[in-house]
Parts: sequence; structure tokens; C-alpha cells
Amino acid sequence: GAVVSQHPSWVICKSGTSVKIECRSLDFQATTMFWYRQFPKQSLMLMATSNEGSKATYEQGVEKDKFLINHASLTLSTLTVTSAHPEDSSFYICSAEPNPDRESNQPQHFGDGTRLSIL
Amino acid sequence: GQSLEQPSEVTAVEGAIVQINCTYQTSGFYGLSWYQQHDGGAPTFLSYNGLDGLEETGRFSSFLSRSDSYGYLLLQELQMKDSASYFCAVRQFLFQTGANNLFFGTGTRLTVIP
Repeated sequence: GAVVSQHPSWVICKSGTSVKIECRSLDFQATTMFWYRQFPKQSLMLMATSNEGSKATYEQGVEKDKFLINHASLTLSTLTVTSAHPEDSSFYICSAEPNPDRESNQPQHFGDGTRLSIL
Repeated sequence: GQSLEQPSEVTAVEGAIVQINCTYQTSGFYGLSWYQQHDGGAPTFLSYNGLDGLEETGRFSSFLSRSDSYGYLLLQELQMKDSASYFCAVRQFLFQTGANNLFFGTGTRLTVIP
């Protein structure tokens, strides 16, 4: 159980293109989803917290107009990288929280990630 | 600011035991999680410590001392497939949303050699 699907897994596109990444919770509802970015050989950095039906909360230094997040339903959140440039090339990972439960040992379940390469 | 420190690289022999340490300085600490990540893959949950002490899950064990802001992951009977990056992550409860945030450490790259 608690499967998170992330699509696409790999994107290569030209500079200036906008890219949409989908994150779906397949067998549970997720009030909260998280978006991370990971550069090679570095840690996962939280970009934003996405809450269903409300605006996303962005971490300091993350441009909200650059990285548009929509969480329109309890099973789907999308991240759109607008006008992507080579410096946006990275590994983007989403996670979803089945229940905001302080007692759960595993509060977040991760998607398989999207490798974005901007030429 | 917040920080989680781990050794950047560790090399160990197949069949041996290795310990990966994690020291943290964060706000709103609720527990310490450990994740494994193979190259190009997603993080995989390994273990969680909400209380002080040792948690054992098969070949993997994790320890937490909240008074020392310190934890470690212990891997026993190392196998070649254990070569991966290992991240500690502080779990923080967000009262604003009721969600659980994860703040990841710098990561330790483990190489298991024959």
C-alpha cells in the first residue's frame, strides 16, 4: 500500500520550455504532498509543501512564479517548471502523506522522481 | 539555522558492520528517520526513531539520543547491494497544516567492496 506515482520519469527539452510533472497517490488520499529537488551527489532539498485546495507553501529561495504547484485533488499534485533553463536541470521528487499522523513511522511516501534535463 | 551532518563517504567490506552517524541542530524535532537511495532512484524508508534508544529492523538498526542531538544507522552483514547513499532526516510536525515535514541530512555514500 501507500504507492506514489510520479510522471514523467525523464524529460529532456529545450531551454524556455515549460515542463509539468505529476505526482499521484494511487491507493490513498493525500492532503499534503511535498516537492523536493536534488542535484547530483547532494541532499534532497524541500522546495514546497502542497496542500489540497490551498496555495502551496514555498521554502525560502524557491521562486513561486518559476515553480508552479497545483494540488487540485486529494490524489494529484503537479509541479510546473516554467520557462526552464539549464540551471533547472535536476532530479525532482515528490512525496505524499497518507495521514497527518504523528504516530506513523513513515509519514511520507516518495515517488520515483523525474530527471529533468534542459538543453 | 538548521543542519544535519553526516560523513560524506564510507567504505566497508562485504560481510562487515558499518555505522553511519548523524548529528543535528534543528527546530521542532519530532524524530529521526533514515532513508536509502540508489543512484537515480527514489529514497526508500529504512527506519525511524521517535524515542531514545535502538530500533532494529533485520540487518539495519538505528539509534537516537535526543539529549545529544545524535543518531546513527548500523548496517550489519553488509552486502554489495547495500552500496548506496544513506540520508538521515529530521521529522518535524507542522502545526500549521498538521503535516509531517522531513529535513534531510547531507547524505553518506556507502561503498561496499568484496
